[in-house]
Amino acid sequence: DIQMTQSPSSLSASVGDRVTITCRASQDIRNDLGWYQQKPGKAPKRLIYAAFNLQSGVPSRFSGSGSGTEFTLAISSLQPEDFATYYCLQHNTYPWTFGQGTKVEIK
Amino acid sequence: QVQLVESGGGVVQPGTSLRLSCAASGFTFSRYAIHWVRQAPGKGLEWVALISHDGSNEYYPDSVKGRFTISRDNSKNTLYLQVNSLRVEDTAVYFCARDVRGIDSGSPDYWGQGTLVTVSS
Repeated sequence: DIQMTQSPSSLSASVGDRVTITCRASQDIRNDLGWYQQKPGKAPKRLIYAAFNLQSGVPSRFSGSGSGTEFTLAISSLQPEDFATYYCLQHNTYPWTFGQGTKVEIK
Repeated sequence: QVQLVESGGGVVQPGTSLRLSCAASGFTFSRYAIHWVRQAPGKGLEWVALISHDGSNEYYPDSVKGRFTISRDNSKNTLYLQVNSLRVEDTAVYFCARDVRGIDSGSPDYWGQGTLVTVSS
């Protein structure tokens, strides 16, 4: 199985900060990676697809980059509604696998 | 608009079975593969099954293979997950999610709100 190592597992940041989250795949997954935001009691929401494409309706402060084995989700200026848990998902090889999640908390 | 609504969860004893459902609306259900993903309380997301648009192909991780069966009824716009020999560690919220690799080469876009399965004696 492909292991997705997501870091950090949690972070504290202030409104307006730039935040980056990384996912490393244990083997080449090309661009077959998505990023999700999840708030407590809610379903995951797709932010980025195919590594760097912004989901329609998602603010442009979110961006994705990377290919192969290393990927990054960046939030350019953190807003109050961005405090949530973020997951990456590889869909290159079965079984699909998620990163462990990154909880973004208010400093 | 696209909607996925799960149902069928509940509190069950270890070793028993349950069938979860996911009712789809707002899109042509028969054209899309659909996934099940679960999340144990306070834990991360785990992919547990995928079925092709016509039901001809199914995929599972080893953790559930042989105990879980995904199926669909395109005439009813409904997806199912039969879960057998339930274990305490199967306790989770189960989400269905629409596959769109044929549309934008990306990961699942729309997700339901989930149904909670609690396995406890």
